Amino acid sequence: DSGVTQTPKHLITATGQRVTLRCSPRSGDLSVYWYQQSLDQGLQFLIQYYNGEERAKGNILERFSAQQFPDLHSELNLSSLELGDSALYFCASSVGKGERSYEQYFGPGTRLTVT
Amino acid sequence: AQTVTQSQPEMSVQEAETVTLSCTYDTSESDYYLFWYKQPPSRQMILVIRQEAYKQQNATENRFSVNFQKAAKSFSLKISDSQLGDAAMYFCAHTKYAGNMLTFGGGTRLMVKP
Repeated sequence: DSGVTQTPKHLITATGQRVTLRCSPRSGDLSVYWYQQSLDQGLQFLIQYYNGEERAKGNILERFSAQQFPDLHSELNLSSLELGDSALYFCASSVGKGERSYEQYFGPGTRLTVT
Repeated sequence: AQTVTQSQPEMSVQEAETVTLSCTYDTSESDYYLFWYKQPPSRQMILVIRQEAYKQQNATENRFSVNFQKAAKSFSLKISDSQLGDAAMYFCAHTKYAGNMLTFGGGTRLMVKP
């Protein structure tokens, strides 16, 4: 158990819908990262937050957005869903700075299926 | 941009034997960090081992060790005394600096034969 939690574990929804994925980082971790794992694109970085502020953006679609709240949990919002958005979405966290801050610990992922 | 390449889509090893998974990367940075993650059928991403580029000594974690060749930009993972529970996808990953995103390779599926 990495200490990172994600809900829900599975999500099935229809095209055009909107969903919210939730992540709680390990206790004390300030940085949250979102990654998408799909069959054709592999593991790709989407976005990072550090202590409530957006730190970096990767290959995140405009239909996707995220935020990190004062209690450090993060939410990834996916809207106008398409079949190609079906994937495993991971959240990872790290301490953010200091020793071993380069280590990222992953949650169990949310499996999104768009039908 | 950083790239990470794993040239072996699949590997197999006999239980109790040793196997080496290959990884090469491309970066213009002199300091960076490299990782191997394991993804078993449960799909959980588990950090196996990490290597700081500024350290010449190869990292080891129990049965797992790496061969880090900085000049060749190579970072292979050696698993000794392979166990059935080692069967999984293994991903090599790179990050430029602490607090930065991870760039992953395409993964190697390791099968362990009893």
